[in-house]
Amino acid sequence: QKEVEQDPGPLSVPEGAIVSLNCTYSNSAFQYFMWYRQYSRKGPELLMYTYSSGNKEDGRFTAQVDKSSKYISLFIRDSQPSDSATYLCATMNRDDKIIFGKGTRLHILP
Amino acid sequence: DTGVSQDPRHKITKRGQNVTFRCDPISEHNRLYWYRQTLGQGPEFLTYFQNEAQLEKSRLLSDRFSAERPKGSFSTLEIQRTEQGDSAMYLCASSSPGGVYEQYFGPGTRLTVT
Repeated sequence: QKEVEQDPGPLSVPEGAIVSLNCTYSNSAFQYFMWYRQYSRKGPELLMYTYSSGNKEDGRFTAQVDKSSKYISLFIRDSQPSDSATYLCATMNRDDKIIFGKGTRLHILP
Repeated sequence: DTGVSQDPRHKITKRGQNVTFRCDPISEHNRLYWYRQTLGQGPEFLTYFQNEAQLEKSRLLSDRFSAERPKGSFSTLEIQRTEQGDSAMYLCASSSPGGVYEQYFGPGTRLTVT
């Protein structure tokens, strides 16, 4: 079992819809959870991070962690064509190494 | 704020040649990381430095790979005797002392081995 599992998609939604992106992880010791956005042929860009369980909101983006089910979510409200990218979930292990999921390709259709 | 920079952005080389990539981190960041990313996969950790000390290397980093950060500022990643399987995007990231979970990535160096 991989440490972070993520459905690669692609996921296509119409502009203005709410997008839900999800990951699961295997190690209950993980404490930090991150979401990165990566445009084609660019480096990943940190969107937001959360510590332990709970929600964190930043503009149209909300990150949610449920440690009881080892489930990580990212919600995007009022999605825009510029949100079209690959979204990578990630967590950090005890050795301060970030472990990434495969990424979900998201297409927002105008 | 100049961000993390990497050079070159693209490199095409023939199998068996040596290549070297450079990374310049955000100036106040003391940690520097190297990752490799292949198509359809997330970045995979290769190695990281705290200041000039290389603290950890992944088993992905074979003997043909070597990384340095001689003065605790920029870093180089060298691949000797390149193989076709080395074709990937090589990403560098940096983080500040209090924010190891906030890693900021450069644009990457795309390596193609023919």
